[in-house]
This record gives sequence, structure tokens and C-alpha cells, in this order.
Amino acid sequence: DVKVTQSSRYLVKRTGEKVFLECVQDMDHENMFWYRQDPGLGLRLIYFSYDVKMKEKGDIPEGYSVSREKKERFSLILESASTNQTSMYLCASSQIPGQRGSGYTFGSGTRLTVV
Amino acid sequence: SQQGEEDPQALSIQEGENATMNCSYKTSINNLQWYRQNSGRGLVHLILIRSNEREKHSGRLRVTLDTSKKSSSLLITASRAADTASYFCATDQTGANNLFFGTGTRLTVIP
Repeated sequence: DVKVTQSSRYLVKRTGEKVFLECVQDMDHENMFWYRQDPGLGLRLIYFSYDVKMKEKGDIPEGYSVSREKKERFSLILESASTNQTSMYLCASSQIPGQRGSGYTFGSGTRLTVV
Repeated sequence: SQQGEEDPQALSIQEGENATMNCSYKTSINNLQWYRQNSGRGLVHLILIRSNEREKHSGRLRVTLDTSKKSSSLLITASRAADTASYFCATDQTGANNLFFGTGTRLTVIP
């Protein structure tokens, strides 16, 4: 069964800490995405990557960075966590745009609380 | 905003009834997708309808798309308590490399 795995379901971090959220997919997908989900705001794209070592900013990249050293792994980094980054973080992957039609596969999410 | 908008925000029905959710969007699209999210979990892809299609079925799901009105609807027939979840539409917009998600409809099916 193909899947996207996020390393933590729940995470509590202190303000100012550097936080790493890891995501691994086993489908050989080209594209990987990081979203955050907040009540009333839906899903908002933070960053995405369409190839190894490539990254593109989404709608809300401020305060975040990403790393994609291997095709199957896409990491989201909070350089200095703040309380307004408390949220549900969702990783997803998909095939390349030329093969549109399969949709995104999401991980189970990481609920991050910054105290 | 490039996000879609679902309507209603919340829907509560009895088991066995049909549930209809609507999605409106603002730009031209390649396709529109519907996803389901159980509480506290990730999203699961349900169905995709291309811009040149008007209706699509998958089991108890029926999706329609009206590109002239920039709207779509998701119908779940003979609902079950297990259908309780949030449902999101997502648009694959022309010229974009990622999907744009709406804010979702929270469906509650009462046994």
C-alpha cells in the first residue's frame, strides 16, 4: 500500500526552538508539498518541490524553510518556532504535472504545538 | 484568493439520506478534485473530474462540474455514519503547479 509517512503525529516545542518535520513517500513521486491547516482557513501551501534540491515558495513561506536532498524525503524546517506556528501540518506528494489525474496522497499530519 | 469555497460549511443529516456539498472557484481549471478528511487525520483523495467532463460517479459518490458557473457539487447517496468527515474541493488551476483547497464542509451523519 503506497503511502506518505510523517515522522510525528503530535509534537510540542518551545518558542525559539528549531523544529524539523519529516515526510517520506514511497511512490517515486516527483512533487512533494507542505501545507498547514488552521480552522476557518483551510489548507494553505507553505512550500513545494518538484524535484530533488528544487523548491518553490507557496502562499505562506515566511518563517519556514524546506530541504529535499532525496526524492523520497521532504523536510519542513521552522527556523525559530513561534506560537503562531501552532497548527496541523500536512505533507503530500503527487506525480509530475504531465501525469495529472491521480490527485495528491497525504500523510496523516503532524499537530504541532508551540508553547 | 485562489481557494475554492465550499457550501455549506456544516451539514447534519440522518443516516440513509443524501448529502450534497457545493464548491465554487474563480479561475480556469484543468480538473477539480474532492477529498475527505477524518478528524485529526490527513486528506484522502476521493474523485477527480476533468474540465471537459460534466459528471462522474464512483460508488455512492456523484460529482458534477459546471465550468460556465465555475462550480462543482459532490453528492453522497444513502449516507452512513462512517461518512462523517470534512470534505474539501481542490482545483488544479491552469498555469499553477499545485492544488488550491477550499475551507471544507463538515458533514455529520446521525445514526
